[in-house]
Amino acid sequence: GNSVTQMEGPVTLSEEAFLTINCTYTATGYPSLFWYVQYPGEGLQLLLKATKADDKGSNKGFEATYRKETTSFHLEKGSVQVSDSAVYFCAPKSNSGNTPLVFGKGTRLSVIA
Amino acid sequence: KAGVTQTPRYLIKTRGQQVTLSCSPISGHRSVSWYQQTPGQGLQFLFEYFSETQRNKGNFPGRFSGRQFSNSRSEMNVSTLELGDSALYLCASSLGWGTYNEQFFGPGTRLTVL
Repeated sequence: GNSVTQMEGPVTLSEEAFLTINCTYTATGYPSLFWYVQYPGEGLQLLLKATKADDKGSNKGFEATYRKETTSFHLEKGSVQVSDSAVYFCAPKSNSGNTPLVFGKGTRLSVIA
Repeated sequence: KAGVTQTPRYLIKTRGQQVTLSCSPISGHRSVSWYQQTPGQGLQFLFEYFSETQRNKGNFPGRFSGRQFSNSRSEMNVSTLELGDSALYLCASSLGWGTYNEQFFGPGTRLTVL
């Protein structure tokens, strides 16, 4: 089955710092790749996605590029804000129908002013 | 359009009891998935329903069960509760099943087993 390895948290950054959260995956077939974010006390929200190699997903200043050769989908943001403090989850999803989303352990990000 | 709703938001039960959680998907969505979130195990897939049929099941004991109604609303049931069942249970809905459709998550039901 699919699996994900995410960098361990927590990650603490100062406002306007550069963020990278590493994600590598194993998956059957040719998966789509997703980053979800969970703000305190809430469910998960889709942050961005990429469905084929070399695609770049982007949203709210976050970016991640689908790297098939290294099976990676690292999340980056050039300048984080306090409001970005949350838990981030990487998740591959095989495009063959009968496989669910598989989430990484999550990386907690704290941004301090 | 209203989002995914889950009821109740919080539950406290004792060991040995059973519990039923409810999930109402976004209008028009026909697929509902359930996940268990704990600090130790992270997010784990429980099951997925589409058109009232279970399409996929995670690696959980038979004490965990679910169903989906004709209006796409879903319930999950946990019988003979154990302390380790304390978790945040998340429901997600999507338009369809098979090729990926974006999943929209509810706020979750926080279950505490004493």
